[in-house]
Order: sequence, then C-alpha cells, then structure tokens
Amino acid sequence: GQQVMQIPQYQHVQEGEDFTTYCNSSTTLSNIQWYKQRPGGHPVFLIQLVKSGEVKKQKRLTFQFGEAKKNSSLHITATQTTDVGTYFCAGNYGQNFVFGPGTRLSVLP
Amino acid sequence: NAGVMQNPRHLVRRRGQEARLRCSPMKGHSHVYWYRQLPEEGLKFMVYLQKENIIDESGMPKERFSAEFPKEGPSILRIQQVVRGDSAAYFCASSSQGMPYEQYFGPGTRLTVT
Repeated sequence: GQQVMQIPQYQHVQEGEDFTTYCNSSTTLSNIQWYKQRPGGHPVFLIQLVKSGEVKKQKRLTFQFGEAKKNSSLHITATQTTDVGTYFCAGNYGQNFVFGPGTRLSVLP
Repeated sequence: NAGVMQNPRHLVRRRGQEARLRCSPMKGHSHVYWYRQLPEEGLKFMVYLQKENIIDESGMPKERFSAEFPKEGPSILRIQQVVRGDSAAYFCASSSQGMPYEQYFGPGTRLTVT
C-alpha cells in the first residue's frame, strides 16, 4: 500500500536557526500538501504542490516537490517561536490523502 | 464565514457505549473527510463523503464504525460498542471540491473511553 514517511520525527532548534523536514513516498504522488498543527490544535493547510520539481515560497517557508514526485521538503529559514508545532505532509494518490507521521518542531528562545 | 464545526469537543464513553461525533462543514463545502489521530501520531484517513454518498471508506474499520452525510444536517461518525483502543482525536475536514483540494479541518473531538 501507499506509505508516506517523514524525517526527522523530532527537531529541536535554537530560535534563528533553519529547519528542514523531508517527506518520502513509496510510490509516485499526484500531488502533495503540507499542514501545520500547533500543540492541542488542528491541522491547518499550508500549501499544495502539483508539478514535478515545483518550488513555492511563503515568507520564510520554502516548499519543494521532487522531480520524480516521490519526495518533498519544507524548509523554514530563521525559525521563530511561532513556528512551533508538528508539520505533516500528505500525499495524494487519487481518492484520498495519506498523511505522514509528522515532524515535531521545538524552537528554543 | 464560520469554519468547520465539530461537536462535542470532548466526549467520554464507557466501554460498550456508542459514540456519535458530528461535523458541520464550511458553508458551501459538500465534501467531508474524517481522520483519526492517536496521541503523538499522524492523521489516519477514515472516510470521504459527499452529500448522501460515501466516496471512499477504505480507512474505516469494517465493524462498529459507520459514517453518513445526509442531505440535511451534519456529517455523523458513529462508533458502536466503543473499546479503549478507540480513544483518540477525531478530526473532520471539508473542501469545496473533491480530492485533491485544500481541506479545512475542524477543532476535533477528543474521545476518551473509560
């Protein structure tokens, strides 16, 4: 079956440092979405990537979709304490999305 | 524009009881998805519904779990004869069109089975 993996599982950074989380699929994806979930909160949509090799930016966040459409990354430049939370990728295989286990980011002030 | 509404926010049930979780999608959205999240884990897809139709229930356990999205009213996720392993957060999401569009999540229902 389809599997989506994410690494690392946890990441602790000092405020101001950069952060990257990687998402890998066992099979080719139609597209991929990224969500952020604050502690005790619900997932909030960040972005969707559709095209092979696509790169999108949202302020300090950069999202990439691999050429083979089997992997993706989220990079945060100069983290802030407001970036704390769990970042999930969700791979679309047609009828549903398969969520990765998430990367939990802690930012130390 | 109200977001996705879920109620109750917290639900406590004894083993063997029934749990009913409700989800009202965002205004204008006709696609609803249910997910389950165990503590410190990712979201597991359960079921995808449109008004009066189940589109994909491949993530739903075959027994005790059912979902509906009637023509009028909220979507309901029903768990019969709950067991301790059903304790989790259940999130509902809605979208204006079907997969693969952006999903808006509700605040979730935290189910605790004692």
